[in-house]
Amino acid sequence: SAVISQKPSRDICQRGTSLTIQCQVDSQVTMMFWYRQQPGQSLTLIATANQGSEATYESGFVIDKFPISRPNLTFSTLTVSNMSPEDSSIYLCTIGRSTEAFFGQGTRLTVV
Amino acid sequence: AQKITQTQPGMFVQEKEAVTLDCTYDTSDPSYGLFWYKQPSSGEMIFLIYQGSYDQQNATEGRYSLNFQKARKSANLVISASQLGDSAMYFCAMRVVGSQGNLIFGKGTKLSVKP
Repeated sequence: SAVISQKPSRDICQRGTSLTIQCQVDSQVTMMFWYRQQPGQSLTLIATANQGSEATYESGFVIDKFPISRPNLTFSTLTVSNMSPEDSSIYLCTIGRSTEAFFGQGTRLTVV
Repeated sequence: AQKITQTQPGMFVQEKEAVTLDCTYDTSDPSYGLFWYKQPSSGEMIFLIYQGSYDQQNATEGRYSLNFQKARKSANLVISASQLGDSAMYFCAMRVVGSQGNLIFGKGTKLSVKP
């Protein structure tokens, strides 16, 4: 099973700034997924990141706010841009491999 | 539309007793997988157990078992011999084979284990 490393694990950021979250997998994977979990809520898919193509965003999420990079088959980044307190959430990455569904450790973001 | 329903916002269980967390799902696809996760207060998502739609037997992993009733479209998680460390949020999720591969989550159940 794949090991997924995500960082930072937490951060406190000023409104109006941006934060880039990194997700590293110990093996090659075609698809990676980014989720957001707002306080007290379930997980919501932000976007699907395929290597070699632009990310596919879910309704309510736009590239200008959440740009994603996928430079190779083991790495992806999610940037939360121009942050506001409403962006305070846990952000999680995972991979799309049949029976495997492990997550990174998550990034707990607080925007002040 | 694909959907996961968890109807128990919160559950209490006495330490050392068994508890069942409910999950029903909705999909018209014949090939899918069902997952359960534990999320402690740290926020990480811990994978517990997986059941494929064509699996003949219910999945088991240590103290966790999945009561899979395909006709009823239910995939309940059973935790035996509850421990204080089991107190956490539990999420049921589904992945449809042939879709883009993302997981669809239920709203979760908060389990509290009492000493």
